Amino acid sequence: DSGVTQTPKHLITATGQRVTLRCSPRSGDLSVYWYQQSLDQGLQFLIQYYNGEERAKGNILERFSAQQFPDLHSELNLSSLELGDSALYFCASSVVGTQDTQYFGPGTRLTVL
Amino acid sequence: GQSLEQPSEVTAVEGAIVQINCTYQTSGFYGLSWYQQHDGGAPTFLSYNALDGLEETGRFSSFLSRSDSYGYLLLQELQMKDSASYFCASLYGGATNKLIFGTGTLLAVQP
Repeated sequence: DSGVTQTPKHLITATGQRVTLRCSPRSGDLSVYWYQQSLDQGLQFLIQYYNGEERAKGNILERFSAQQFPDLHSELNLSSLELGDSALYFCASSVVGTQDTQYFGPGTRLTVL
Repeated sequence: GQSLEQPSEVTAVEGAIVQINCTYQTSGFYGLSWYQQHDGGAPTFLSYNALDGLEETGRFSSFLSRSDSYGYLLLQELQMKDSASYFCASLYGGATNKLIFGTGTLLAVQP
């Protein structure tokens, strides 16, 4: 158990819908990262937040957005969902920044029908 | 762009030694990490090399050569439970730091 929690574990929804994925980092970790893992794309970095501020942005679509709240939990919002958005979404946390060890949560499996 | 190359699959027998290679692009490179992922599970951090040389942690070792833009993960005394995907990930700096993952190497350990 990494200490990072993600909810829900599974999510099934239809195209065009909007969903919110939630992540609680390890106690004391200030940075939260979001990753998408699909069969054909591997593990893709989406976005990083540090202490409430966006720190780095990767291959995140404009339909996707994220935020980190004062209690350091983070939410990833996915809108206008498409079939290709079906994937495992991982959250990870680290003490400060990307040079630290990242601890991954169990992931949310999103299925878009 | 920044990308990493690693073999897609490696097969080895229990008790053997296996090396998984990773080549990366150098622009803005800070360091190389390795992660293990069992099927359907979350990636787990194994090691991080910021400097050239070998880092050893139990049965696993990781090596980095900045001059060759190359690193590897060495797994010794292979066990069946080591069957998993292994990802190298490069940390790149610049305006913002990014961690870019390789496509992963699927290691199959056979009895």
